[in-house]
Amino acid sequence: AQTVTQSQPEMSVQEAETVTLSCTYDTSENNYYLFWYKQPPSRQMILVIRQEAYKQQNATENRFSVNFQKAAKSFSLKISDSQLGDTAMYFCAFMNPPYGQNFVFGPGTRLSVLP
Amino acid sequence: EPEVTQTPSHQVTQMGQEVILRCVPISNHLYFYWYRQILGQKVEFLVSFYNNEISEKSEIFDDQFSVERPDGSNFTLKIRSTKLEDSAMYFCASGQGNNQPQHFGDGTRLSIL
Repeated sequence: AQTVTQSQPEMSVQEAETVTLSCTYDTSENNYYLFWYKQPPSRQMILVIRQEAYKQQNATENRFSVNFQKAAKSFSLKISDSQLGDTAMYFCAFMNPPYGQNFVFGPGTRLSVLP
Repeated sequence: EPEVTQTPSHQVTQMGQEVILRCVPISNHLYFYWYRQILGQKVEFLVSFYNNEISEKSEIFDDQFSVERPDGSNFTLKIRSTKLEDSAMYFCASGQGNNQPQHFGDGTRLSIL
């Protein structure tokens, strides 16, 4: 069974600083997809970034970037120049197409950006 | 930008009653999902729906649960006889498949009394 682990239940960062959220996963498959979703207090789940396992290049979306280490099964999210609006729960999610299009989510990391 | 919409935002129901949660997925999406999130826990997959039938379901999705796309627009989750442990946030999501991201609704908070 695929599992996703986020070892940091809570983190905090000062506004404008950089923070890295960790995620590891367990799979025996070679072709899969990884996502980070953000859930602010408004509770909506918002896609932050996506990474295909067959791509070696790390995905980047504006202030958000990932460090994808396939051999280590690690998929960390780096948030640069943190903003107050980044305060949210962050979920790492794994999709393994041979087993379907559904997500397996990690337990989440609660990030607080401090003024 | 098109959104997934869910109604109601909060549903309070007596234990043993039936409840129907409603979702309107994004119109050109082909895959539809339900997830749940018990308070303080992670988001868990319940069921996916494609081509008018269930494509995958988790062990959580037992005989008490059913899904339907009655009119080509709405996508509903029915819980036949609710239990206290069904209290959770229920998220609907839709996607285009082909390993594309899923778009989530705001969720329905279900409280069973």
